[in-house]
Amino acid sequence: AQTVTQSQPEMSVQEAETVTLSCTYDTSESDYYLFWYKQPPSRQMILVIRQEAYKQQNATENRFSVNFQKAAKSFSLKISDSQLGDAAMYFCAWGGTSYGKLTFGQGTILTVHP
Amino acid sequence: DTGVSQDPRHKITKRGQNVTFRCDPISEHNRLYWYRQTLGQGPEFLTYFQNEAQLEKSRLLSDRFSAERPKGSFSTLEIQRTEQGDSAMYLCASSSPPNTDTQYFGPGTRLTVL
Repeated sequence: AQTVTQSQPEMSVQEAETVTLSCTYDTSESDYYLFWYKQPPSRQMILVIRQEAYKQQNATENRFSVNFQKAAKSFSLKISDSQLGDAAMYFCAWGGTSYGKLTFGQGTILTVHP
Repeated sequence: DTGVSQDPRHKITKRGQNVTFRCDPISEHNRLYWYRQTLGQGPEFLTYFQNEAQLEKSRLLSDRFSAERPKGSFSTLEIQRTEQGDSAMYLCASSSPPNTDTQYFGPGTRLTVL
């Protein structure tokens, strides 16, 4: 079974600064996908970024980028130039190529200070 | 392109009552997923459909839970004889080829069982 671990229950960052959220996972699969989702308070889950495990190049979406270390089974999210609107719960998730479901971590609450 | 919609957004019921939730996926998305999320936790997979076929059910989905997607479009999730432990946010997501791995979530239905 796959597991996803987010070891930082809470993180905080000053506006315009950079923050990195950690995620590790465990799987015996060689081909899979990894995701970061953002869930603002009382609002729906939004896809932030997606990484295909067979691609060595780290995914980037504007201010959001990942550091994907397949051998270490690590998938961290870097948010640059943090904005107040980035404040949310962030979930790391694993998806297999032959699985329908996503396996989520416990989440990290990100607070952005003005 | 409208997103995933769920109805109702909130449901308060008394223990022992039956409840039914509806999910409308993004148009032409052939996969539809149900998750349950308790406060401060990541979503947990319940079940998913490809078109009208229910392909996987979690062990979390007890006999009191049933899901359908009769015409391969919208889906319903019914909980019979609700218990206080059923109180949670029920999330629906959908996906489609070529990136069936990438799931888009609805706003959720928050269930409170008194």
